[in-house]
Amino acid sequence: GQQVMQIPQYQHVQEGEDFTTYCNSSTTLSNIQWYKQRPGGHPVFLIQLVKSGEVKKQKRLTFQFGEAKKNSSLHITATQTTDVGTYFCADAGGTSYGKLTFGQGTILTVHP
Amino acid sequence: DGGITQSPKYLFRKEGQNVTLSCEQNLNHDAMYWYRQDPGQGLRLIYYSQIVNDFQKGDIAEGYSVSREKKESFPLTVTSAQKNPTAFYLCASRLGLYNEQFFGPGTRLTVL
Repeated sequence: GQQVMQIPQYQHVQEGEDFTTYCNSSTTLSNIQWYKQRPGGHPVFLIQLVKSGEVKKQKRLTFQFGEAKKNSSLHITATQTTDVGTYFCADAGGTSYGKLTFGQGTILTVHP
Repeated sequence: DGGITQSPKYLFRKEGQNVTLSCEQNLNHDAMYWYRQDPGQGLRLIYYSQIVNDFQKGDIAEGYSVSREKKESFPLTVTSAQKNPTAFYLCASRLGLYNEQFFGPGTRLTVL
């Protein structure tokens, strides 16, 4: 079945450094959604990408959808301690029941 | 306030006992989902429901059962047949096929 691979699994950065997580699929992704889960919390929706080559920004966060719709990335500029958490990508379509297929997530630690 | 509630937050059970996790939403969403999350891992889909009185198995349905008698409610029963039930269980709902999912706060189940 559909698999979404996410790398890296862990990332440790110093506050102020940049961070990027990548989401890859062997098959074409429908729409990509990104979620953030704070430690001990639940996933919270960040953004959805729909179009090939789409780029969206939210303050220090930049989201990209690959031209072939087989990969996506989330880049955080100048990380802050509030960015700590696990970032998940999810393929948001492909079936009539609207299942989300999640990547394994990238756990981000930010050292002050 | 609109949202999704899950209760209880922490649950302890003895091995061999069935246990039911509650999930209620007042967002008027048609679709509801149950995920399991193990430490350091992504979200795996257990069951999902697009409409009242209808539900489908997800990727890891064995040892679990659900019901959807009301639009607002989607309880999950972890049966004694589930071999490794200790995990963090997340319930989610969604307005439409390509909308984001809203997650509840989760229930952390520990089987002793």
